[in-house]
Amino acid sequence: RKEVEQDPGPFNVPEGATVAFNCTYSNSASQSFFWYRQDCRKEPKLLMSVYSSGNEDGRFTAQLNRASQYISLLIRDSKLSDSATYLCVVNSLRNYGGSQGNLIFGKGTKLSVKP
Amino acid sequence: NAGVMQNPRHLVRRRGQEARLRCSPMKGHSHVYWYRQLPEEGLKFMVYLQKENIIDESGMPKERFSAEFPKEGPSILRIQQVVRGDSAAYFCASSPSSRRQETQYFGPGTRLLVL
Repeated sequence: RKEVEQDPGPFNVPEGATVAFNCTYSNSASQSFFWYRQDCRKEPKLLMSVYSSGNEDGRFTAQLNRASQYISLLIRDSKLSDSATYLCVVNSLRNYGGSQGNLIFGKGTKLSVKP
Repeated sequence: NAGVMQNPRHLVRRRGQEARLRCSPMKGHSHVYWYRQLPEEGLKFMVYLQKENIIDESGMPKERFSAEFPKEGPSILRIQQVVRGDSAAYFCASSPSSRRQETQYFGPGTRLLVL
């Protein structure tokens, strides 16, 4: 089983649609979770961290289910500018005296928002 | 505050040559991470460094690859005797500390093409 798994998509949605991405991770002891966004041929950029209680940032809502080892991202009222690849990311478990260490990336889910 | 800087942005090498990739972390950041992204793949961790120390190189190929982060100057990822399979985007990230949930900020990447 891969450490972080995502549906690669592509998800093709019209402007204004609501779209949800899911992600599963294999190590139950993982502690930190993130969604990054990567535009074509660009670097990943942090979209939001994911907390156990769930968190929202404008049109974006992230949820974490530790029992199922499942992370989700919901995008409401999709914009053309939301078109990108969304990366599910968890921290590694290596402990360098409290360090989060390196990040483990899923392959990403591609979103294309059409007019 | 300048972001993470990487150079060169594009690098073309012939098989057997050496490639040197440079990364200057954000001001005030002393933790540097290198990741590799093969075409159509997710980012994979290679190495984690602090000033003058390699903390974790578990993701680095055993041969031909080396990394350093000297007291002065940028972090360097060095690939000796490059092969076609080394063609990829190499991203550097930095963070100010090693606390959990600390955001890693990514540079624009170096795209290496081996002919």
